[in-house]
Amino acid sequence: EPEVTQTPSHQVTQMGQEVILRCVPISNHLYFYWYRQILGQKVEFLVSFYNNEISEKSEIFDDQFSVERPDGSNFTLKIRSTKLEDSAMYFCASMALAKNIQYFGAGTRLSVL
Amino acid sequence: DAKTTQPTSMDCAEGRAANLPCNHSTISGNEYVYWYRQIHSQGPQYIIHGLKNNETNEMASLIITEDRKSSTLILPHATLRDTAVYYCIAEIPAGNMLTFGGGTRLMVKP
Repeated sequence: EPEVTQTPSHQVTQMGQEVILRCVPISNHLYFYWYRQILGQKVEFLVSFYNNEISEKSEIFDDQFSVERPDGSNFTLKIRSTKLEDSAMYFCASMALAKNIQYFGAGTRLSVL
Repeated sequence: DAKTTQPTSMDCAEGRAANLPCNHSTISGNEYVYWYRQIHSQGPQYIIHGLKNNETNEMASLIITEDRKSSTLILPHATLRDTAVYYCIAEIPAGNMLTFGGGTRLMVKP
């Protein structure tokens, strides 16, 4: 069964450093999403991406965040200057146009020290 | 998005049916009911979704009341591996974001 793949599974970084979280969505899916979950809290929406542009973003997704689909398979989330409060699990999801079901990856645990 | 309310936690005996309720009294006519679950800190896993008819797949059954103000997710024979947080989400299926609440923490006990 096809699945969303995220790398790395765990990323440790120093405050102020840039990080790039990578996702390989399910092939032929056209909608892409990033969510995050701070330890012990709810899963929160960050951004959705369709047709090579952001379709929706939350208040969390400020100028420090950016997304990119650099090629036909990868979807990345970049945090320019990480803060301690960016420590969380980051989940990528993708969805096919007609299926209306978002499938999630296993997540990347980001630890900002 | 319609707000959904779920019990904070539930227990179920292994091998028995787990019935997880969800209230969505303000759901609009074009919002579907989606169920996801999250085991430990893994990514949310899709279970099932429906609009107004009852639905069944290999994982679960979804019963939606006729007025669509509430629904029940049924795991017919719960196993220890079904221990997870279960989320009920009402959403228009047009590429929109999913809004996760606190969900129901289901504990399946031997």
